[in-house]
Amino acid sequence: EADIYQTPRYLVIGTGKKITLECSQTMGHDKMYWYQQDPGMELHLIHYSYGVNSTEKGDLSSESTVSRIRTEHFPLTLESARPSHTSQYLCASSELSGYTFGSGTRLTVV
Amino acid sequence: GENVEQHPSTLSVQEGDSAVIKCTYSDSASNYFPWYKQELGKRPQLIIDIRSNVGEKKDQRIAVTLNKTAKHFSLHITETQPEDSAVYFCAASKQAGGSYIPTFGRGTSLIVHP
Repeated sequence: EADIYQTPRYLVIGTGKKITLECSQTMGHDKMYWYQQDPGMELHLIHYSYGVNSTEKGDLSSESTVSRIRTEHFPLTLESARPSHTSQYLCASSELSGYTFGSGTRLTVV
Repeated sequence: GENVEQHPSTLSVQEGDSAVIKCTYSDSASNYFPWYKQELGKRPQLIIDIRSNVGEKKDQRIAVTLNKTAKHFSLHITETQPEDSAVYFCAASKQAGGSYIPTFGRGTSLIVHP
């Protein structure tokens, strides 16, 4: 079934560690996005991509980077995790209509 | 840029009542308005959307209305059930020639009491 997949589902990591959150979609969508969301709260756009080799920063400066080497893959990297990065990270993809969201990665930085 | 205001932030109703969530937007060029439902601990899911060439759209117990002149759109849920309890987000974006990036409202927590 076409969907969007995020791994890991939960992650606890120490301050200063480098981490990569994985996002892959089998929808065939060109557009992909990363959002940060505290549970049930506002969605904050971190990065987005309109296609391969296209990446843009969103409204929220999160000290993270993304890459889009393949259409289906859009990983998010935090070079040095901090407790302020503790949150849920949602990946999404779209074409001409609404988003399909992944199940999210719940990140805790201790 | 676009600004989307969503009200109320919390809505509590009795099972069987109707619920209405309202959003206003600022950019008259926005032409696509989706609504998402996010149950506790789950991902947001698209439940209904409307484009600017349509004034109303219905899908069973949910409906969305759009007033382009006033720049507001609303989600209507009739005969609410406990499983409708969730956070609902509205959004506005410019499709086809626009940035496609939606601006989300801050969300409405709907609580349906049995």
